[in-house]
Amino acid sequence: DTEVTQTPKHLVMGMTNKKSLKCEQHMGHRAMYWYKQKAKKPPELMFVYSYEKLSINESVPSRFSPECPNSSLLNLHLHALQPEDSALYLCASRLRGLAVTGELFFGEGSRLTVL
Amino acid sequence: DQQVKQNSPSLSVQEGRISILNCDYTNSMFDYFLWYKKYPAEGPTFLISISSIKDKNEDGRFTVFLNKSAKHLSLHIVPSQPGDSAVYFCAAMERTGGGADGLTFGKGTHLIIQP
Repeated sequence: DTEVTQTPKHLVMGMTNKKSLKCEQHMGHRAMYWYKQKAKKPPELMFVYSYEKLSINESVPSRFSPECPNSSLLNLHLHALQPEDSALYLCASRLRGLAVTGELFFGEGSRLTVL
Repeated sequence: DQQVKQNSPSLSVQEGRISILNCDYTNSMFDYFLWYKKYPAEGPTFLISISSIKDKNEDGRFTVFLNKSAKHLSLHIVPSQPGDSAVYFCAAMERTGGGADGLTFGKGTHLIIQP
């Protein structure tokens, strides 16, 4: 299994809603990432979890709240978002530690639209 | 300040010819470089990588060249095929602390293979 699975694929929410994006991998990877990608822009790093602990938060607003319940799961809780938060949210994972490569495995992304 | 730059937003190449995608970086601490391919509405897919201790890495039709003194890398695809039409992202990282850090992406080059 070399997949990173993200759900839902599409999400439409109002500015007062609370929703969550989910990410799952069963490759034994111990580093998991959330990236945000706007149209015609490169992916931008949001959060990094290493061994289930938050290791990097790239100054992301608190309306985005990550959670790593276990080594296979990564969630992104969304609350009081703004229309400009509409984007493709990408989850990725990587083998932590003495990895030979720096390759990140990406999921297909969750397309978020905030009305 | 962009640390990874892809100065060509798009590139059109005839089928069967060589495609050359370029990437420049400014952070001399980067020691690992990757190329990702991305189709619309999908997550990026890893193509090929190169460590800073090498100057060339080859995998089938894909070859990546690294010129450390010029802080420049390039991806060669030969022969180019219609399925290669996609956005190609150059990415770089500093493999510190066991490698949990995220990738820094360039803005991408849209490669169009013409029949």
